[in-house]
Amino acid sequence: SAVISQKPSRDICQRGTSLTIQCQVDSQVTMMFWYRQQPGQSLTLIATANQGSEATYESGFVIDKFPISRPNLTFSTLTVSNMSPEDSSIYLCSVLAVNTGELFFGEGSRLTVL
Amino acid sequence: AQSVTQLDSQVPVFEEAPVELRCNYSSSVSVYLFWYVQYPNQGLQLLLKYLSGSTLVKGINGFEAEFNKSQTSFHLRKPSVHISDTAEYFCAVSDRLAAGNKLTFGGGTRVLVKP
Repeated sequence: SAVISQKPSRDICQRGTSLTIQCQVDSQVTMMFWYRQQPGQSLTLIATANQGSEATYESGFVIDKFPISRPNLTFSTLTVSNMSPEDSSIYLCSVLAVNTGELFFGEGSRLTVL
Repeated sequence: AQSVTQLDSQVPVFEEAPVELRCNYSSSVSVYLFWYVQYPNQGLQLLLKYLSGSTLVKGINGFEAEFNKSQTSFHLRKPSVHISDTAEYFCAVSDRLAAGNKLTFGGGTRVLVKP
């Protein structure tokens, strides 16, 4: 299993500002994923972040809005840029256990944009 | 691309009664299947998974699920629920043959256990 810590756990932000969410894993992992969970909704994959390469974004998500860093095998950041109220969501970091295909999730970062 | 349908968005159930949460996915040659639970204000926790082998999978907290390839379903069951089972449950599918092992999640089923 993997233990994943996310910071901040929650934040209230002003429209037009940007916020960076950090994800720290207690072991080295190749594949990390960032998901968004809008209020009352399911999880939607934003991007896949592999160390040493550019993040791969899903349809509807772009690097300018959600830049991602992956400097090493235990850490990643997701920035939500130029926020609007529509960005109010829970953002979740997850890592893949390659041998089982299981995803482990962090507790999530709950963003409220005013 | 995979799609996952959870037919019930909300399921009220009395304590100690059985519950079944339905999950259907779009057809694929081979898949990994998962059920996750999200308790209020928490992250997601894996309940159980199907990778291969027996189609009846047992998970934590007394939950089990059955993989039915012909019906492309992976319904979750518990014979007797507790108040503490009140949570949101997500079915997820990964296409084994696709690169990246990305999970596609269903819309979720909110279970409310009543005393």
